[in-house]
Amino acid sequence: AQKVTQAQTEISVVEKEDVTLDCVYETRDTTYYLFWYKQPPSGELVFLIRRNSFDEQNEISGRYSWNFQKSTSSFNFTITASQVVDSAVYFCALSRGNTGNQFYFGTGTSLTVIP
Amino acid sequence: SAVISQKPSRDICQRGTSLTIQCQVDSQVTMMFWYRQQPGQSLTLIATANQGSEATYESGFVIDKFPISRPNLTFSTLTVSNMSPEDSSIYLCSGTKREGPQETQYFGPGTRLLVL
Repeated sequence: AQKVTQAQTEISVVEKEDVTLDCVYETRDTTYYLFWYKQPPSGELVFLIRRNSFDEQNEISGRYSWNFQKSTSSFNFTITASQVVDSAVYFCALSRGNTGNQFYFGTGTSLTVIP
Repeated sequence: SAVISQKPSRDICQRGTSLTIQCQVDSQVTMMFWYRQQPGQSLTLIATANQGSEATYESGFVIDKFPISRPNLTFSTLTVSNMSPEDSSIYLCSGTKREGPQETQYFGPGTRLLVL
């Protein structure tokens, strides 16, 4: 069975602090994809990153970085020097194989960046 | 990315009525889906919208309550039938787009539904 766990329900940080959002997944598939989405107060889900199960290389995009570790089944997301605009709910998701159709979402982490 | 639009963006409805939500995607999207996000919750897949045939529903969702149509590649509708306050949610349309060897799922802005 597939499952995504985001243990942190809510996080508050002061602007300019770094923050890491945790994501742990479960799957028996050998091929799978991991995603992070941002949902600002407006409600729209914004795609941030996709990582496939064969690529454990960490990725950095501006202030965002992702740490994928198959050994611990984790795909953590770090925001460096957080800004108020980063305040949103962040969802980690898992999809099976290469079809991209069956998505399993975590329960989300609500991040509040305090000015 | 993919361009996905939905309408209405929000609505307030009376119990017992039905609401149809429309979703328009750009031509590069392959598969289309409908999700529900109840207040403060994560996303739950309702169904896969199949072009020209009946949608594929997930456990707990039935066609009589959530009829879905997809008459062509780029358009789909979801109807929430005989609404009750428990149907108050955000309903999201999504589509997958192939980018190289991989697919990514993009989401519309959502329809916020409040049932009184």
